[in-house]
Amino acid sequence: GAVVSQHPSRVICKSGTSVKIECRSLDFQATTMFWYRQFPKQSLMLMATSNEGSKATYEQGVEKDKFLINHASLTLSTLTVTSAHPEDSSFYICSARDWGGGSSDTQYFGPGTRLTVL
Amino acid sequence: QKEVEQNSGPLSVPEGAIASLNCTYSDRGSQSFFWYRQYSGKSPELIMFIYSNGDKEDGRFTAQLNKASQYVSLLIRDSQPSDSATYLCAVNIGVNGNQFYFGTGTSLTVIP
Repeated sequence: GAVVSQHPSRVICKSGTSVKIECRSLDFQATTMFWYRQFPKQSLMLMATSNEGSKATYEQGVEKDKFLINHASLTLSTLTVTSAHPEDSSFYICSARDWGGGSSDTQYFGPGTRLTVL
Repeated sequence: QKEVEQNSGPLSVPEGAIASLNCTYSDRGSQSFFWYRQYSGKSPELIMFIYSNGDKEDGRFTAQLNKASQYVSLLIRDSQPSDSATYLCAVNIGVNGNQFYFGTGTSLTVIP
């Protein structure tokens, strides 16, 4: 299957700082990438859909000014958590859509980034 | 009504048994269906996908799709302790496949 990488895998930061997370599709071009957040023992929560070359679409309740998403190329999307606070501590997972056309449209996940805000 | 529904479990089966995981979806226009496995503390990994009615087999895994009844299931034969994880069902809705919906997942424990 297709490979998606995320960097960093783990980050610890102080409250008030900003953190950037990178998501890359390594062996395919992804016009669409997704950003999820998952709290312990809870299900995935879609935060936003990132489309290459255009503004991201945020889910209801997700602050677009706090979670900045940039999808500048077909293989890279970034999520920046601005002015992070302890309640932003979570597991952030990206996925990339491998749009092969027709029935081969599949979503592949990166390994995730565990963010801890002190 | 949620787009995709799964029984949260937990589901426990003895080693070597068949584990059966079920998922129902609400949109009859759904195009494709996916099963992901997520180990604790890890991100989901794709197990298999299915688009057509009937069964699709891949090793010990069999996905079953019934569009008329709007359900998709995953059977795991000869279950192993390493299969213990949360299994997520996902549905791709729409002609252009631009809407993915995930279920909340079913927790499976395989008892040695």
